[in-house]
Amino acid sequence: GAVVSQHPSWVICKSGTSVKIECRSLDFQATTMFWYRQFPKQSLMLMATSNEGSKATYEQGVEKDKFLINHASLTLSTLTVTSAHPEDSSFYICSARVNTGENTEAFFGQGTRLTVV
Amino acid sequence: AQKITQTQPGMFVQEKEAVTLDCTYDTSDPSYGLFWYKQPSSGEMIFLIYQGSYDQQNATEGRYSLNFQKARKSANLVISASQLGDSAMYFCAMREWGSGTYKYIFGTGTRLKVLA
Repeated sequence: GAVVSQHPSWVICKSGTSVKIECRSLDFQATTMFWYRQFPKQSLMLMATSNEGSKATYEQGVEKDKFLINHASLTLSTLTVTSAHPEDSSFYICSARVNTGENTEAFFGQGTRLTVV
Repeated sequence: AQKITQTQPGMFVQEKEAVTLDCTYDTSDPSYGLFWYKQPSSGEMIFLIYQGSYDQQNATEGRYSLNFQKARKSANLVISASQLGDSAMYFCAMREWGSGTYKYIFGTGTRLKVLA
């Protein structure tokens, strides 16, 4: 299967600082990447859909100025959590869609566990 | 309204036995796909099985099979011959193609514990 690499796998940062998370498709081109957030013992909640070369589409309730998404190339999307606060602590996971048709599953990165102290 | 419903927050199964994880969905889009993912404690999402809305036969992948009942809008996952390594969270997800966004909607998950 296709490989999606997410970095870092975990990060601890101070309140007020910004954190960047990278999502790379290693062996395929991904025109669309998705960013999810998962609180402990809860489901994955879609934050935004990232399309290469265009602005991300954010889900209702997600602050686009706080969660900056950049999809500058077909293999890389980044999520920057700006001015992070303890309530932003969560598990962030990206997925990339293989652009070869509709009947294909999305492949997920390993996830990033963010802790804001 | 919930688009994907998983009513079992937790399940136990004895090793080597079969277990069914329930999933019901709600959509008005005639074209959609249903997926099951496994999430171990490490956090990564592992794709297990896929069922398309127009597929005539139930999907199977090794020990995993999907009991697709379109009229009832259910897509239950059956794991046969459970193994200790099957202990994890399991998520049912749906993708609607009519919207053109290809985004996934996930259920709340079922935590499966396989007992030795």
